[in-house]
Amino acid sequence: QQQVKQSPQSLIVQKGGISIINCAYENTAFDYFPWYQQFPGKGPALLIAIRPDVSEKKEGRFTISFNKSAKQFSLHIMDSQPGDSATYFCAASTGRRALTFGSGTRLQVQP
Amino acid sequence: GAVVSQHPSWVICKSGTSVKIECRSLDFQATTMFWYRQFPKQSLMLMATSNEGSKATYEQGVEKDKFLINHASLTLSTLTVTSAHPEDSSFYICSARDAGGWEQYFGPGTRLTVT
Repeated sequence: QQQVKQSPQSLIVQKGGISIINCAYENTAFDYFPWYQQFPGKGPALLIAIRPDVSEKKEGRFTISFNKSAKQFSLHIMDSQPGDSATYFCAASTGRRALTFGSGTRLQVQP
Repeated sequence: GAVVSQHPSWVICKSGTSVKIECRSLDFQATTMFWYRQFPKQSLMLMATSNEGSKATYEQGVEKDKFLINHASLTLSTLTVTSAHPEDSSFYICSARDAGGWEQYFGPGTRLTVT
C-alpha cells in the first residue's frame, strides 16, 4: 500500500500558536519522510525531512516527530506566523524512488 | 541551495497542438527527474520518472504516447504534451533529485491551459 494519509485537511491557528499536521503511512519500506510547503501557483519547497533512524528533527521553528512503531509522523510549526499560511504536504519514499504525497493541509495563520 | 527551473511558467495553447515544458537543475546534477501533475486544491500526482539516458517510467494510467519525456542530460528533462486537449489543462511540476542525496527539489511549475 503506497498511501500516505494526512490530516487535518485545513487548519486555522492564531499568530504565535503551534500548528500541528499529522501523517500516517502503511508501507513499512518507506525510509524517507519530507515535508513540503506550497504557496498558490508555486512549486513545493522542501521544509524539513527525516529518516526513520531518529525520532525527532528540528530546524528553526519546524520540527518533525517520527513514530516508527505507529507508522506516523508529524510537523510542528512553532510560533506560527501569517507568512506561514500555505498548503503543507507530507511525503514518503523508499530509497531514492519517487515521493508519495499526502493530500495536503491548508494552514491559515490569523494575525 | 538546490535550484530547479521550469520553462515556460505558463502557456496557453489550442486543442490539438503540442507543448514542450523544460525542467532544469541549475546547480546540481540530477540523474533522476520526476514529473507531477496537480489539479486545483489537490495533491501532486506522479506522472513519470525520468532517468538520464534511458526511457522514462510512466505511472499507471498515464499515456506515454501523449506525455513524451526526454531526459537528455544530467541537468535537463523535457515533457511534451502532444495533441493537447482541454482536459490536459493543469499545473505541471517537475522535481529533481541530487545524484548524491535524498532530497528532491521542485521547480516552480508550469500552468498549461488548453483552449
